[in-house]
Amino acid sequence: DAKTTQPPSMDCAEGRAANLPCNHSTISGNEYVYWYRQIHSQGPQYIIHGLKNNETNEMASLIITEDRKSSTLILPHATLRDTAVYYCIGDNQAGTALIFGKGTTLSVSS
Amino acid sequence: GAVVSQHPSWVICKSGTSVKIECRSLDFQATTMFWYRQFPKQSLMLMATSNEGSKATYEQGVEKDKFLINHASLTLSTLTVTSAHPEDSSFYICSALGELQRGPYGYTFGSGTRLTVV
Repeated sequence: DAKTTQPPSMDCAEGRAANLPCNHSTISGNEYVYWYRQIHSQGPQYIIHGLKNNETNEMASLIITEDRKSSTLILPHATLRDTAVYYCIGDNQAGTALIFGKGTTLSVSS
Repeated sequence: GAVVSQHPSWVICKSGTSVKIECRSLDFQATTMFWYRQFPKQSLMLMATSNEGSKATYEQGVEKDKFLINHASLTLSTLTVTSAHPEDSSFYICSALGELQRGPYGYTFGSGTRLTVV
């Protein structure tokens, strides 16, 4: 599975867009990029995933560069409830465990 | 959507006793379950992978005799921390994967169990 690199922390004002970057330069052609988040003392929550194309769902948008070496998770209108640790994970969908890196701690303030 | 129930959500036990944590897939059959451990301000660390009806595969450094995993049915896996010590105090999280589920939708996480050993 690809090694991912994320900034340790980011701040965002409530109502503004939060853009969380992730580098995954070693990602292979069949590996998806997944994003999960973990709110304090809870289990991880799935946000979004993508392979090559940009993706959008009700929670977020995912922008993947053309060379697939990096991606950005966008929370269009951050709220206080979005304060969490965000994990970017590469996985080849082989049914093996997801391996979590250190993630980015996003702090949303009013 | 798929739901995984983890019980108990928190437990306090005395040093030297054993504690069992249950992980149930409520609306799907989980052929594979994963157990993670998370210390304060750290990321999730994979402890072991279990497939229904077979022995669990433990990650390097995880004592299989201390952390007993049983995956006897397609909807239930248990983690027993034997002879618990204060250093075993941690947040334990399970994840379940169904046979028909692949990709991110397939990895459903429990809400975690906070274990405190006193």
